[in-house]
Amino acid sequence: DTEVTQTPKHLVMGMTNKKSLKCEQHMGHRAMYWYKQKAKKPPELMFVYSYEKLSINESVPSRFSPECPNSSLLNLHLHALQPEDSALYLCASSQEGSPGNTIYFGEGSWLTVV
Amino acid sequence: GENVEQHPSTLSVQEGDSAVIKCTYSDSASNYFPWYKQELGKRPQLIIDIRSNVGEKKDQRIAVTLNKTAKHFSLHITETQPEDSAVYFCAASTSGTYKYIFGTGTRLKVLA
Repeated sequence: DTEVTQTPKHLVMGMTNKKSLKCEQHMGHRAMYWYKQKAKKPPELMFVYSYEKLSINESVPSRFSPECPNSSLLNLHLHALQPEDSALYLCASSQEGSPGNTIYFGEGSWLTVV
Repeated sequence: GENVEQHPSTLSVQEGDSAVIKCTYSDSASNYFPWYKQELGKRPQLIIDIRSNVGEKKDQRIAVTLNKTAKHFSLHITETQPEDSAVYFCAASTSGTYKYIFGTGTRLKVLA
């Protein structure tokens, strides 16, 4: 089973709102990721958690705040977003180990900031 | 910095023909090369991958070849079908890192 589930599938929020995106995987993967994808572009890495600790932050603005409550869950808290933050937000997970960590993506959350 | 160039950006083929998408990477330490297919409005899905100790890998109508010396890898789809229409992304990764360097994507259209 290579399932990564994300909620909500669609979210519309105002620039003053606070909302959260949620992600869950039950594959026993110890690395979890948030990617942002704009139309006609490849996914762009935002954050990586490894063993529930933040491992990579790709200089993401502080209006995006990740959280990893446990090894199966990953949240992305959103506050004071801008219209240009509208995008598809993809959660992903992978097993630890080398060479190569095959990344499995969730269905994504479509975010529109108005 | 590290980058992956992907060509062509769009590709139209007749149903039943073959399609080839090529990627070139810059980091000689890269040793893992996945390919993702992304249908409109859907998630990227892994379709095939190759590691640097292998020159070619095949899975039914899909194959990937790797030339480490030239730092090229390619996706080959034979007997294309309309359901192969999608955007395809190549990526390169290195052991011990979590980062994928994605190519810019190829929009494949299979014409019935």
